[in-house]
Amino acid sequence: DTEVTQTPKHLVMGMTNKKSLKCEQHMGHRAMYWYKQKAKKPPELMFVYSYEKLSINESVPSRFSPECPNSSLLNLHLHALQPEDSALYLCASSQEEGLAGYNEQFFGPGTRLTVL
Amino acid sequence: AQSVTQLGSHVSVSEGALVLLRCNYSSSVPPYLFWYVQYPNQGLQLLLKYTSAATLVKGINGFEAEFKKSETSFHLTKPSAHMSDAAEYFCALTDSWGKFQFGAGTQVVVTP
Repeated sequence: DTEVTQTPKHLVMGMTNKKSLKCEQHMGHRAMYWYKQKAKKPPELMFVYSYEKLSINESVPSRFSPECPNSSLLNLHLHALQPEDSALYLCASSQEEGLAGYNEQFFGPGTRLTVL
Repeated sequence: AQSVTQLGSHVSVSEGALVLLRCNYSSSVPPYLFWYVQYPNQGLQLLLKYTSAATLVKGINGFEAEFKKSETSFHLTKPSAHMSDAAEYFCALTDSWGKFQFGAGTQVVVTP
């Protein structure tokens, strides 16, 4: 299984809502990532988890809260978002964090988020 | 600091013609380089990667790329474009910590 799955595919939420994005991989990868991608732009790294511990937080606002319940799952909890947070949210995983050459990232299909 | 520059935000090619997407990098250490493709409303799919084993790298869907250290380049080519190649292409570089640096992307349009 070389797939990263993400749910839901689409999400529309108001600025007062609380929602969560889910990501799952069964490749035995120990690093997982959240990216935000605006239209016609490259993905921007948000968070990195390595061995289920938060390794990198790219100064992301606290209205985004990541969680890694186990080595296969990654969640992104959303609360009090702004319209400018509307984007495609991509999850990725890699065998390890760092160790260049062993960190080819596998991406999920993304969740298209719209904040009204 | 490491960086990736993709020359040309849009490329238009005729079906059957050569596809050439340019990527130049800047790195203080030997780089690991990747090309990803993104179809509309989908995630990124790895086309190929350079990890210093061979300078000419073959990938999926008939794509290949050549690493040229002297030119700090990693250009992507495909001999004959197909309509299904229409997509966004990203060149990426990873540093020793594994953080990806993506290029700005190149949108490929294939005309009949």
